[in-house]
Parts: sequence; C-alpha cells; structure tokens
Amino acid sequence: AQSVAQPEDQVNVAEGNPLTVKCTYSVSGNPYLFWYVQYPNRGLQFLLKYITGDNLVKGSYGFEAEFNKSQTSFHLKKPSALVSDSALYFCAVRPTSGTYKYIFGTGTRLKVLA
Amino acid sequence: NAGVTQTPKFRVLKTGQSMTLLCAQDMNHEYMYWYRQDPGMGLRLIHYSVGEGTTAKGEVPDGYNVSRLKKQNFLLGLESAAPSQTSVYFCASSEAREQYFGPGTRLTVT
Repeated sequence: AQSVAQPEDQVNVAEGNPLTVKCTYSVSGNPYLFWYVQYPNRGLQFLLKYITGDNLVKGSYGFEAEFNKSQTSFHLKKPSALVSDSALYFCAVRPTSGTYKYIFGTGTRLKVLA
Repeated sequence: NAGVTQTPKFRVLKTGQSMTLLCAQDMNHEYMYWYRQDPGMGLRLIHYSVGEGTTAKGEVPDGYNVSRLKKQNFLLGLESAAPSQTSVYFCASSEAREQYFGPGTRLTVT
C-alpha cells in the first residue's frame, strides 16, 4: 500500500538553530512531493513542492526541502528557526499515474523555543 | 481572488440531523477534495471530484455524499449525522499539483 511517514510527532528546536522535519514515502513511480503548514484553527497552506529537477527546492518563509530518490525521503529544512515557525507540518505525495488522490502523513508538530 | 471558501465555519448538529457543507473555489480548478481532520490521524480523504459532474469515493466515504453540479462548487452532505462525524472538515482544490485548502468547518455532533 502507498504511504507517507512522518516519524516524529513533535520536533523541538531552539530559536536560531537549524530545523529538520522528516518525511519518507512508499509510492511507486516518480510522485509529486509537497509540504504544507497548518497554524491553529486554519487550513493548510502550501509551502513547497518537488515535481522534477534539482533535488533541493526552496519555498515560502525560508523553508527548503531535499528530495532523495534512493532513500525515498523529502525532509523539510530551515537554516534558522523562528518562534513563528511553530505549527503543524504535513508532508504529502501525489502519485503521477492512476490516481488524482494525495497521500498525507500524519503531521509533525514543530515547536520553536525562544 | 478569494481562493477556496467554506460555509459554514462552525456547526453543531444533533444525532440524526442532516446538513450540507459548501466549498467554493474561484481558481477554475478541475479537481476538488473533501477531507476530515481528526487528532493524531492527519487528513483523511472522504470524496473527491476530477471535474464537473464527477465524484469518487476516498478513504472514508461512509455516511457522506457529494455533488459537483458546477465546476466551482463541491458540496458535502451528511444524511444522518453521527457523533463519529464530529471533526474538522477541509475542502481543497488543485490542478493536479499543489492543493489549495479552505479554512475549514468545525462540526460537532451531539
């Protein structure tokens, strides 16, 4: 079965330190990969995507993600965390054949400590 | 350009009552989706549509029906609400790449 795993329910990081939120997937072919952020009582907001090309993609608010095909991973990163980055982050995958459905991870809560 | 809007924002129902949630998008997207979000379970797909007049079942379709009579609107119906349908409901639209989400509807069934 196709799946997306976010192995950490919560990640704590000190303000100013680099952050990583992990995502691995089990989807056949060359799927599209996405990161979304959700602030309290809000909908999900698109952060960045990997479709094809460079393995390092840059997105909104200084976030970037690294696609690793051999490890089937798409980890979210930021060089210097801000307290305002504290939120719930979702990784999502869309297979590129046979379906228009997206597969979401269960989310990782990022807490940036001042 | 409002993006994706959802109506209503909050609703409390009694068991057995029915209601319809409305999702509207102004981006001319072909694909629309209804999800529910429950603590610790991420987003689960209820139904989706790949174009006007089409609908398909997602992961958790039981107890819900949908209609896409107009391209810009996607309606989610609960025929006979149950406490297990207490959740936050999100609508999303896309053109097969990133999805755009609405602000959500918080539904409580007592």
